[in-house]
Amino acid sequence: DIQMTQSPSTLSASVGDRVTITCRASQSINNWLAWYQQKPGKAPKLLIYKASTLETGVPSRFSGSGSGTEFTLTISSLQPDDFATYYCQQYDEFLYTFGQGTKLEIK
Amino acid sequence: QVQLVQSGAEVKKPGASVKVSCKASGDTFTNYGFTWVRQAPGQGLEWMGWISVYSGNTKYTQRVQGRVALTIDRPTTTVHLELRSLRSDDTAIYYCARDRGGYNFWSTWGQGTLVTVSS
Repeated sequence: DIQMTQSPSTLSASVGDRVTITCRASQSINNWLAWYQQKPGKAPKLLIYKASTLETGVPSRFSGSGSGTEFTLTISSLQPDDFATYYCQQYDEFLYTFGQGTKLEIK
Repeated sequence: QVQLVQSGAEVKKPGASVKVSCKASGDTFTNYGFTWVRQAPGQGLEWMGWISVYSGNTKYTQRVQGRVALTIDRPTTTVHLELRSLRSDDTAIYYCARDRGGYNFWSTWGQGTLVTVSS
């Protein structure tokens, strides 16, 4: 199984900050990586797929980059609505796996 | 706009079985695959399995292999998850999600179904 490791597990930041979350895969997944945002009591929301393609309707302050085994999600200027938990997910091969999540908290 | 509507919360005893449904509407049903993801209380997301509506092919995580079955009811455009021999660590919210034209990332999700396993 491909292991996905996110860092940090928790991130404290303020509105207007630029933040970056890292996701590392235990083997190359090419660019088959997605990022999701999840708020309490809600289903995950797709933000980015194929490592860097922004899902329709997602604000442009979200961006993704990387390839192979290392990927990043960047939020260029945090907004109040962005405080949530973020997950990466590889879809290079079965069994599809998620990172453990990064909780973005208000500082 | 495709929508996925899941069945309601369930409370089961250890050793019992549960069947959760996911009804799709608003788009062609046959062209897609459906995935199930679960989330234990306070924990992260765990991929459980996938079924192709077109072929009926399935894949499951080893953690639940042998206890899980995904099935399709094409006339009602509904996908079902059955989990048998329930244990307390199966307590979770179960989500269905639809793939994107053969690519297994998910922009369309059900609202989630809480399954509680307790004696």
